[in-house]
Amino acid sequence: LAKTTQPISMDSYEGQEVNITCSHNNIATNDYITWYQQFPSQGPRFIIQGYKTKVTNEVASLFIPADRKSSTLSLPRVSLSDTAVYYCLVGDLRGSGYSTLTFGKGTMLLVSP
Amino acid sequence: GAVVSQHPSRVICKSGTSVKIECRSLDFQATTMFWYRQFPKKSLMLMATSNEGSKATYEQGVEKDKFLINHASLTLSTLTVTSAHPEDSSFYICSARTLAGESTDTQYFGPGTRLTVL
Repeated sequence: LAKTTQPISMDSYEGQEVNITCSHNNIATNDYITWYQQFPSQGPRFIIQGYKTKVTNEVASLFIPADRKSSTLSLPRVSLSDTAVYYCLVGDLRGSGYSTLTFGKGTMLLVSP
Repeated sequence: GAVVSQHPSRVICKSGTSVKIECRSLDFQATTMFWYRQFPKKSLMLMATSNEGSKATYEQGVEKDKFLINHASLTLSTLTVTSAHPEDSSFYICSARTLAGESTDTQYFGPGTRLTVL
């Protein structure tokens, strides 16, 4: 399983764009990148998932360079409610090759007024 | 879509008793569900993989006789903590894997169950 490295914590202010980068140097060919958000005493919430280049949904964008050894979660115009722990996970997500997800320590994002 | 529920959300029990936690996929069928445990200020740790109609696969260090898992239907998996002790107090979270066919599968997580053993 590809190991991931993220910053332990990040600080931001309301209205700013936040970019959280995750390193996964030994990502495998069949691996996808998934980001989750977790609030205290709640289960992780799916944010976004991608394989390469750029993926965008209604809450975030995911940028993946050509070598796929890292990825960046971009949160536009954060609010106080975006204060949470963000996890980057890497694994094969297709069919019989499906691999279990291994959670790292995540990034604690603190958004201040 | 892709909603996973857990019941109960919180349980307090006496040492030595058994506690059952249910995990349901509400709007999709899940042949595979997962059980995690999370201690305060720590990350999620995978305990076991639950496959519908077959025995669960436990991670190293997780006692299968203590943490009984049953996945009797495509929408329900249960975790029973047998003879619970205070060190079993934790936040238990389940997830369910969608089946996307040719596309990627995604895990969706339940809200978690806070277990406190007195």
